[in-house]
Amino acid sequence: NAGVTQTPKFRILKIGQSMTLQCAQDMNHNYMYWYRQDPGMGLKLIYYSVGAGITDKGEVPNGYNVSRSTTEDFPLRLELAAPSQTSVYFCASSPGHGGGTGELFFGEGSRLTVL
Amino acid sequence: AQRVTQPEKLLSVFKGAPVELKCNYSYSGSPELFWYVQYSRQRLQLLLRHISRESIKGFTADLNKGETSFHLKKPFAQEEDSAMYYCALSGDSGAGSYQLTFGKGTKLSVIP
Repeated sequence: NAGVTQTPKFRILKIGQSMTLQCAQDMNHNYMYWYRQDPGMGLKLIYYSVGAGITDKGEVPNGYNVSRSTTEDFPLRLELAAPSQTSVYFCASSPGHGGGTGELFFGEGSRLTVL
Repeated sequence: AQRVTQPEKLLSVFKGAPVELKCNYSYSGSPELFWYVQYSRQRLQLLLRHISRESIKGFTADLNKGETSFHLKKPFAQEEDSAMYYCALSGDSGAGSYQLTFGKGTKLSVIP
C-alpha cells in the first residue's frame, strides 16, 4: 500500500516550458488535492477534485490545469512555466464527505524550480 | 475568508519543558481545526483534530471559540517532538471536501 505517490521529486524548468506533475493514490479516495508551499509560507490550495471527472479551483489556480479521468490519478499541468511557480508541490487525498475524518494523506512533495 | 495564524516561526524548548504552539484562526462559521506535523524526511501527516478531543503522542489541543484559538500543548517535550507543526482549518465547503487552510507553520526544536 503505497498511499499517495508523486513524481518527479525534483525538476528544474526553463521559463516558458511545460510539464506535468503526476499524482496517484491507491486508497480508493474520492477527494484529491494539489497544494503548493512557498518558502516560509503555509500550503495553498491550487485545485481539488471530489471524484473522477470533477475538478474545481482552489485559492491559487492561475497557471495550472488538472484533470481527473480516474479515481487513482490527479495530474497537475503547468503551462508556460514562470519563476513565480518555483515551489514545493504536494498532492493529497482524503476519503471525503461521509467517510472522511478531515484527514488528508499527503505525498512526499515535488520540488520545482523555474529558471 | 478563512485564515490561520501561527505567530511563531521557530520555538525552542528544553527536553522535559512544557510546549505550547499557538494557533489563531479567523472564520465566520463553525470551523473544524486540525494540527498536522512533518518530521524530518517524512510526509506531512495528521496529528490531531479538535472534534476527536484526543491526546496523540502526549499532545492535546482545545478549541477556544471565544478567543478563536487552537493551541497545541504538551506538558513535557521530548527530542522526538522536533518537527514542523501546521495548524489547519476546514470551513463549510458545501461539498464536504475538507479543503484545508493552513498556517505558515512553527518549527519546534527540542534541545537535549
